[in-house]
Amino acid sequence: DTGVSQNPRHKITKRGQNVTFRCDPISEHNRLYWYRQTLGQGPEFLTYFQNEAQLEKSRLLSDRFSAERPKGSFSTLEIQRTEQGDSAMYLCASSLVGLEGYTFGSGTRLTVV
Amino acid sequence: GNSVTQMEGPVTLSEEAFLTINCTYTATGYPSLFWYVQYPGEGLQLLLKATKADDKGSNKGFEATYRKETTSFHLEKGSVQVSDSAVYFCALSAAGNKLTFGGGTRVLVKP
Repeated sequence: DTGVSQNPRHKITKRGQNVTFRCDPISEHNRLYWYRQTLGQGPEFLTYFQNEAQLEKSRLLSDRFSAERPKGSFSTLEIQRTEQGDSAMYLCASSLVGLEGYTFGSGTRLTVV
Repeated sequence: GNSVTQMEGPVTLSEEAFLTINCTYTATGYPSLFWYVQYPGEGLQLLLKATKADDKGSNKGFEATYRKETTSFHLEKGSVQVSDSAVYFCALSAAGNKLTFGGGTRVLVKP
């Protein structure tokens, strides 16, 4: 098992464009989480899935953000009509039950220009 | 709501010095407490954790004790190495799933 994998590692996009990130969790983990980390700050919770069900969404997740986890395996996070304020590191984590074995990926760094 | 406050950095130390990073929290119920470390260019790694009052988490020479009376979880290491240079995050989980993080403390250890 290679841990939690996130792609791409870096993404530069123009303001107004749509972007999509992918997270592949540890294969036996049924929970998957998305966090956002801006420079010099701690990660902030965005949303999480148990299997394919999205169980909680932060108010930080505006209408321009959508996350999916079809078939309870990998997940995608899409940001529509990107804004400069969306520039951040987007982190994915997975776990088996609750926080047991909670493992983070290396993140996708988004820069909106 | 839940929140975590940790001392701002950067903290600059000489090798073999004693390190303390203060962390206090606000939470409903009885949260679990964590310290994560982020080395340059890498993802967050769990350093240690404590799940109930008076528990002591320890790993790689680092220790932290869950103090319910002072709502604190301070991180300590008796003798730091250059390889301990990283950003350290205190975090809590009050419902067994998502984590609430502090703002992080950058530690720089000089030879």
